[in-house]
Amino acid sequence: EAGVAQSPRYKIIEKRQSVAFWCNPISGHATLYWYQQILGQGPKLLIQFQNNGVVDDSQLPKDRFSAERLKGVDSTLKIQPAKLEDSAVYLCASSSSPDPTDTQYFGPGTRLTVL
Amino acid sequence: AQRVTQPEKLLSVFKGAPVELKCNYSYSGSPELFWYVQYSRQRLQLLLRHISRESIKGFTADLNKGETSFHLKKPFAQEEDSAMYYCALPVYGGATNKLIFGTGTLLAVQP
Repeated sequence: EAGVAQSPRYKIIEKRQSVAFWCNPISGHATLYWYQQILGQGPKLLIQFQNNGVVDDSQLPKDRFSAERLKGVDSTLKIQPAKLEDSAVYLCASSSSPDPTDTQYFGPGTRLTVL
Repeated sequence: AQRVTQPEKLLSVFKGAPVELKCNYSYSGSPELFWYVQYSRQRLQLLLRHISRESIKGFTADLNKGETSFHLKKPFAQEEDSAMYYCALPVYGGATNKLIFGTGTLLAVQP
């Protein structure tokens, strides 16, 4: 089966600019996750969707980050405006259920550099 | 607080040597733990979960509730084992159920 797709793979922007990342999960996976992975750290959950509804966005900096999954399939994560500390790899993952013990399948990630 | 600690950022061993990647956790309850792995230029993927008690690619991990540890072990390291390894803990809190990852350990197997 096709894996989780993400684009772009790399993005370089200046601080205060906007950026958007796209994710297409594994077909049939109702649960979608966005993680932020800062260099030297493990992935940190930003937001979790179940179909097109938000399950957990407690770690999402809502003053600058937003995410949507309008049709319950693809998802977009946006940062506006970006700060230097947003430099990280943004990982999208999907699973067949919202149970955190269910295997999560990760995309290749988008490496964001904010100058 | 629920957390996962991986004390080593880097573990360097020679091919054929035993490997132990350390993971300690803090969790009020009966934990289920996982090891995820990321090989160079590949995606983060599940390696093994403690509940299945399986050996994957020669790796095993035993949950030690007394020491709150879930160390990953392999008796004889291979060069292809070189990768970033993350210990992960599922946590449950009402509507917030999620996977917490450790900071990871880079395993470098020298020829």
